[in-house]
Amino acid sequence: DAGITQSPRHKVTETGTPVTLRCHQTENHRYMYWYRQDPGHGLRLIHYSYGVKDTDKGEVSDGYSVSRSKTEDFLLTLESATSSQTSVYFCAISESSGSRNEQFFGPGTRLTVL
Amino acid sequence: GQSLEQPSEVTAVEGAIVQINCTYQTSGFYGLSWYQQHDGGAPTFLSYNALDGLEETGRFSSFLSRSDSYGYLLLQELQMKDSASYFCAVKPSGGYNKLIFGAGTRLAVHP
Repeated sequence: DAGITQSPRHKVTETGTPVTLRCHQTENHRYMYWYRQDPGHGLRLIHYSYGVKDTDKGEVSDGYSVSRSKTEDFLLTLESATSSQTSVYFCAISESSGSRNEQFFGPGTRLTVL
Repeated sequence: GQSLEQPSEVTAVEGAIVQINCTYQTSGFYGLSWYQQHDGGAPTFLSYNALDGLEETGRFSSFLSRSDSYGYLLLQELQMKDSASYFCAVKPSGGYNKLIFGAGTRLAVHP
């Protein structure tokens, strides 16, 4: 299994508070991604990174920011959490030359915003 | 933009064959992938079709027809452990290895 960890695995927070989720990889893969998963919507891309300090928006980026200061870590920040951001968040990684569209997913973080 | 359509649920019995369809609308893409996700788990890669035709990996096969904007995942000799959600995904052209996922098909396998 690809070495991807996410922290925390579960979090309950209140509306208006900042939240940061961490994704850590030991595979030295170039690309990293943050998805959210909600019933009926599958996996939706929030932000992604194609290198250190290189990031871009995905389909549902409003209310989220990311940072990648080193290859192994990709942080997702909710500046002011809202109830609509209650979801399961998955981090994923892929190699730069991958031709199989293969992404490796972390275990997920279940976030509840009250 | 891109969009993918899959049935929301499919039910089958052990030992049977089931086909999960995926139709897509996209301006251009490199290939069609399939991922499996068990309840409470993370998605895992199953298969990839870069070219039209059938790709076989054990009990699972995947098919792509670009002219029909259509693909499917075929699961044979179904087992209880195949009960999971299955997602099709496309890699858009010029997309930094991004994937756009369908909403997923929940497969329930019964004895």
